[in-house]
Amino acid sequence: QVQLVESGGGAVQPGRSLRLSCAASGFTFRNYGMHWVRQAPGKGLEWVAVISSDGSNKHYADSVKGPFTISRDNSKNTLYLQMNSLGPEDTALYYCAKDDFWGRWDVWGQGTTVTVSS
Amino acid sequence: QSALTQPASVSGSPGQSITISCTGTSSDVGTYNYVSWYQQHPGKAPKLMIYEVTHRPSGVSNRFSGSKSGNTASLTISGLQAEDEAEYYCTSYTGSSTYVFGTGTKVTVL
Repeated sequence: QVQLVESGGGAVQPGRSLRLSCAASGFTFRNYGMHWVRQAPGKGLEWVAVISSDGSNKHYADSVKGPFTISRDNSKNTLYLQMNSLGPEDTALYYCAKDDFWGRWDVWGQGTTVTVSS
Repeated sequence: QSALTQPASVSGSPGQSITISCTGTSSDVGTYNYVSWYQQHPGKAPKLMIYEVTHRPSGVSNRFSGSKSGNTASLTISGLQAEDEAEYYCTSYTGSSTYVFGTGTKVTVL
């Protein structure tokens, strides 16, 4: 079935880096743009980044522009989020989502938790 | 990229109709018809309920409907049911391939 599975989350100290992965299955991954969305504990959803189907276009929320890099490997059906210089404000559950068309995010993973604390 | 404004909470009795507003600006909701709504139950991933302002994905109940006027989009849930109790988020395209979510609305079924 159509599925997204995130991994790579964990507890890290401020200033450290982490790379999240999102493994896709059940659909033709290379045909779709993909997003990362995060949710801080007890807070709302925050859009983080998007990457086009071929990986040539990437866009970020102002809050993560610079430290975060979105990428994908279509040969491995996997989406990534490289997060550098992490701060406590980056503590959140990170979801990946499939972009069917212009904000029509029809498939979501279950999320991976990132905790930034000293 | 300021968050779209939603009421913190909306409640209704079973069978009633409720409407959740989502107010943005002329740079997002007011310009683009790429407004979506997501339902999120506690501990679960968001679920797409409405896309492109008024369209419902297959499998979503026709009790859910969307609309837009000016800088404000709305989600209406008619015939409210216990299973509709959840958090609801709107999102809008903001241009240059970026998006913004609403602040979220907790729907309570009395």
